[in-house]
Amino acid sequence: QSVLTQPPSASGTPGQRVTISCSGSSSNIGSNTVNWYQQLPGTAPKLLIYSNNQRPSGVPDRFSGSKSGTSASLAISGLQSEDEADYYCAAWDDSLNALFGGGTKLTVL
Amino acid sequence: QVQLVQSGAEVKKPGASVKVSCKASGYTFTSYGISWVRQAPGQGLEWMGWISAYNGNTNYAQKLQGRVTMTTDTSTSTAYMELRSLRSDDTAVYYCARDDSSGFGVTLDYWGQGTLVTVSS
Repeated sequence: QSVLTQPPSASGTPGQRVTISCSGSSSNIGSNTVNWYQQLPGTAPKLLIYSNNQRPSGVPDRFSGSKSGTSASLAISGLQSEDEADYYCAAWDDSLNALFGGGTKLTVL
Repeated sequence: QVQLVQSGAEVKKPGASVKVSCKASGYTFTSYGISWVRQAPGQGLEWMGWISAYNGNTNYAQKLQGRVTMTTDTSTSTAYMELRSLRSDDTAVYYCARDDSSGFGVTLDYWGQGTLVTVSS
C-alpha cells in the first residue's frame, strides 16, 4: 500500500474533463513539490507535470496540476483516446526517500 | 537528443546478484543525477534510489539498504545498479532515469527503456 494514495481507476468520454487525486501527508506533499507521470501501455513513464503545476516542453496545456495542503490533483481537459494510460503522482518525503502513488488507470470510454 | 539506453533482460536464480547498466548520451552526464525505479509485473512504480553523477553521492530506498549499490563511470557516461541476494519479489522491470532534483526530489525527465529482471529457480 502506497503512502501517496490515488484512486485505482478513473474514466471519461472524449472531450470531458477528468481529475485524478493524490493524497499524502505533512512529510511529503505537505512540505515538498509534486510531480506527475504518464505511463502508456508497454512503455516507460513520462514526466507530465513537475513542481506541482509546471509542464515540460511538449506536454499539451490540456494537462494541469495543482496542490493544496497535503493533496494534489492532475486535471486533463478535452480528454482524448490517446490519454488512456496509467498516471502516477510522486513526491519527496522528509524521511529522505521518494514516493510514488499507487497509480490510476485512466480509461477513455 | 537525450537518451538513456539500458542493458538487456536478465534471468537470475534466487540468491544471485544482477547488475544493470544505463548509458547516457545527449547531455553533460555529470550535470545530473540518475535515479532507479522498478515496476513489478502489473504493479506500480517503486523508487530504488539516486546517485549523483557529479560526485557519486548516493541515497538508497530504506527497504533496499544493504542489498543495492549504485555507481557511475563518468568516462563512459554510464550508470550501474547492482542488486544482491535476489528474491522472487525482485522480479520487475528496472528503469534508470535522469534526475533533475539534486537528490532531494523525484523529477525524472528522461527514462531508459527498462530492463526486465526475472528471478526464478
